[in-house]
Amino acid sequence: DAKTTQPNSMESNEEEPVHLPCNHSTISGTDYIHWYRQLPSQGPEYVIHGLTSNVNNRMASLAIAEDRKSSTLILHRATLRDAAVYYCILSGADGLTFGKGTHLIIQP
Amino acid sequence: DSGVTQTPKHLITATGQRVTLRCSPRSGDLSVYWYQQSLDQGLQFLIHYYNGEERAKGNILERFSAQQFPDLHSELNLSSLELGDSALYFCASSFGDRVYEQYFGPGTRLTVT
Repeated sequence: DAKTTQPNSMESNEEEPVHLPCNHSTISGTDYIHWYRQLPSQGPEYVIHGLTSNVNNRMASLAIAEDRKSSTLILHRATLRDAAVYYCILSGADGLTFGKGTHLIIQP
Repeated sequence: DSGVTQTPKHLITATGQRVTLRCSPRSGDLSVYWYQQSLDQGLQFLIHYYNGEERAKGNILERFSAQQFPDLHSELNLSSLELGDSALYFCASSFGDRVYEQYFGPGTRLTVT
């Protein structure tokens, strides 16, 4: 599976937008970009996914670079409940391959 | 609440023993995936079943096996347990046989002593 690179941690303030970057320079043409998050003591939670175009849903937006070698998950207005580990994943043949993710810290 | 249920929540057992973890997918979902999360290895994909058939294997040990039953619930069997098998085991479900949106259960915490 192609690899993704994310910062180990990021910090943001409550009620401000958060931009979580992900690099995936070896992405193939058929790989989807997925974002999941894991809150403490819980299972991972689906956030969003996309292929080429930017995507929006009730939780977040996904901005995909034109060359698809990077993407950014955007949380429009962070709350304390958004503090979690965020994983950027490229779809493999089957199951998801999780990396170490970005630990997002939200300051009140 | 994702709609995926896993039992038991916690399991403590001794080395060499065998345990069975159970997963019920969301209503209508045909795929079940199993993952293992340990402190040193992170979240690892183990195996995928779709509508009763095995679709793919990830980093699953030979001592581990799984099956998906006609009612679509799945069981993960872990045998000859070792200390290193202590981990959180998650199952996830999705509607189709692709990985687009997976919904994870709360996990089973296995402690091998």
